[in-house]
Amino acid sequence: NAGVTQTPKFQVLKTGQSMTLQCAQDMNHNSMYWYRQDPGMGLRLIYYSASEGTTDKGEVPNGYNVSRLNKREFSLRLESAAPSQTSVYFCASSKGREGDGQAFFGQGTRLTVV
Amino acid sequence: AQSVTQPDIHITVSEGASLELRCNYSYGATPYLFWYVQSPGQGLQLLLKYFSGDTLVQGIKGFEAEFKRSQSSFNLRKPSVHWSDAAEYFCAVYSGGFKTIFGAGTRLFVKA
Repeated sequence: NAGVTQTPKFQVLKTGQSMTLQCAQDMNHNSMYWYRQDPGMGLRLIYYSASEGTTDKGEVPNGYNVSRLNKREFSLRLESAAPSQTSVYFCASSKGREGDGQAFFGQGTRLTVV
Repeated sequence: AQSVTQPDIHITVSEGASLELRCNYSYGATPYLFWYVQSPGQGLQLLLKYFSGDTLVQGIKGFEAEFKRSQSSFNLRKPSVHWSDAAEYFCAVYSGGFKTIFGAGTRLFVKA
């Protein structure tokens, strides 16, 4: 079972470069999420998509954009990377409104902006 | 506002000793509560969850957690820790609205 798949696993960017993190889930989940993880701060929600066709800001959306391409895929874009965006990024999915909030996570993308 | 507090940034226990990781939450009603574990370089994996009913819930890998409404706590326990339990543990609360609030995490070190 693939679950939630993120690509790439590692990335180094120069300040000002752009990139897109890809995420796909094969569990037919309605809701998808992007989090960033920084030491001592737990996971902070960047954006989420409650269902196909909708996206909403989370706790720390500045500097990011997202696209819910279809029910399976939810991408995160950094238009102009900054060193403050150095972090580990996790994509997650859940059943959504009819579910219980349990999230299934990808393995993460470690991004370094120099 | 909803919040989750894990008071211990890191804990060290000896292999075979018992473990308790603390979690306190702030929420008006009874939330959905979770514990996740993150091994190095991995994503988060669900250990256990609580919604209602029996306040002592069993999870995978021999973990259990107890919900105490009066203390707004949901502490994670394990009677005998194994070296493979070394990881980071996250408590989380889901109150609906598609958002889950995570604690800052507790890193567990296991010494031989």
